[in-house]
Amino acid sequence: QVQLVESGGGVVQPGRSLRLSCAVSGFTFSDSALHWVRQAPGKGLEWVAAISYDGSNRYYADSVKGRFTISRDNSKNTLYLQMNSLRPEDTAVYYCASALLRYFDHWGQGTLVTVSS
Amino acid sequence: EIVLTQSPGTLSLSPGERATLSCRASQSVSSSYIAWYQQKPGQAPRLLMYVASRRATGIPDRFSGSGSGTDFTLTISRLEPEDFAVYFCQQYGSSPLTFGGGTKVEIK
Repeated sequence: QVQLVESGGGVVQPGRSLRLSCAVSGFTFSDSALHWVRQAPGKGLEWVAAISYDGSNRYYADSVKGRFTISRDNSKNTLYLQMNSLRPEDTAVYYCASALLRYFDHWGQGTLVTVSS
Repeated sequence: EIVLTQSPGTLSLSPGERATLSCRASQSVSSSYIAWYQQKPGQAPRLLMYVASRRATGIPDRFSGSGSGTDFTLTISRLEPEDFAVYFCQQYGSSPLTFGGGTKVEIK
């Protein structure tokens, strides 16, 4: 059974940092590209970042480029999102998702990040 | 960036009725690389369709997808109570990956 479990969300002040984690089980982690997708409260979905199966390629939405870093540890079956210089508009539920040809076949339950003073 | 526009914003229908959801792209989506997702309140999205018309594993055949180029459609042939939800389309033919704004299918 495929499981993706996010953690690390919370309330943080603008300008501060937060690191999200996503623990994966039920499929061959090291074979899979992984993504972060976010959803602001009551809004639609926004792709945030992606990382290739081996971590050699990383891609970012313009809205987070230079502030967020996606990474993975294939020995721990865990995906990360380091978020720096957070802004109120980064407030959202953050989902990790596995991807087949860049569509998302499995999703985690999400973790809420609230950026507020 | 490809902008996806979904219509209508809200669809009010009764169980047993047919639902037709539209997703229009600002430019042609290569290889019909459109996916559809269903999202219920408090839950993560669930993959329904990929490559516009292929059903994901476990998706009932009352769901179907069609389209090419810039116009895509998700059809639910006969609405079941569990189908009332929000539906998003996504294009993965070019970067960045983008989603439509969603269509809410609500009980009339």
